[in-house]
Amino acid sequence: GNSVTQMEGPVTLSEEAFLTINCTYTATGYPSLFWYVQYPGEGLQLLLKATKADDKGSNKGFEATYRKETTSFHLEKGSVQVSDSAVYFCALSGRGAQKLVFGQGTRLTINP
Amino acid sequence: EAGVTQFPSHSVIEKGQTVTLRCDPISGHDNLYWYRRVMGKEIKFLLHFVKESKQDESGMPNNRFLAERTGGTYSTLKVQPAELEDSGVYFCASSQEVRPSDNSPLHFGNGTRLTVT
Repeated sequence: GNSVTQMEGPVTLSEEAFLTINCTYTATGYPSLFWYVQYPGEGLQLLLKATKADDKGSNKGFEATYRKETTSFHLEKGSVQVSDSAVYFCALSGRGAQKLVFGQGTRLTINP
Repeated sequence: EAGVTQFPSHSVIEKGQTVTLRCDPISGHDNLYWYRRVMGKEIKFLLHFVKESKQDESGMPNNRFLAERTGGTYSTLKVQPAELEDSGVYFCASSQEVRPSDNSPLHFGNGTRLTVT
């Protein structure tokens, strides 16, 4: 079945550091890929997505590229801020399927 | 526009008791989903309603869990009797279309944190 594996956290960085959170997936066919973020005390929000190979999703300075050859969708940001502290979830949805399959989440803490 | 509302936000119950979680989707959203995150692990799909019908309940862990969506509006998820392993955060989400898209994104609630002692 479909699955998502995320880099284990927690991750702690200093402000303005470069961020990478690794995500790899296993799926049949061509899934859509997502990054969701959960800020403290809030629900999940869609951060970015990509629906086909080589697509790059981007939002709020974050980027992730759909790499079919490596089955990966790593999240990157060039310069993180304290306000980026949150839990990040990588997810996929298979073709023809409505439900999302999530990774285990990565807690990110940015120190000033 | 009001978002997806879940309550209670927190619930602490003893093993063997019953708890009912409620989700109010965004008005007009036919599709309603329940997900669960247990002990810091991955968020797992529980089930999907289209209006009042269960479209997919393949993620429901066992028959101690009962989900309903009478009238196709709000939904309840009842756990009876609760066990220790049921502790976690229960998320509800809704969307207008069956397959979320740019025009019909998936909206999540803040979740209900359930602790079974």
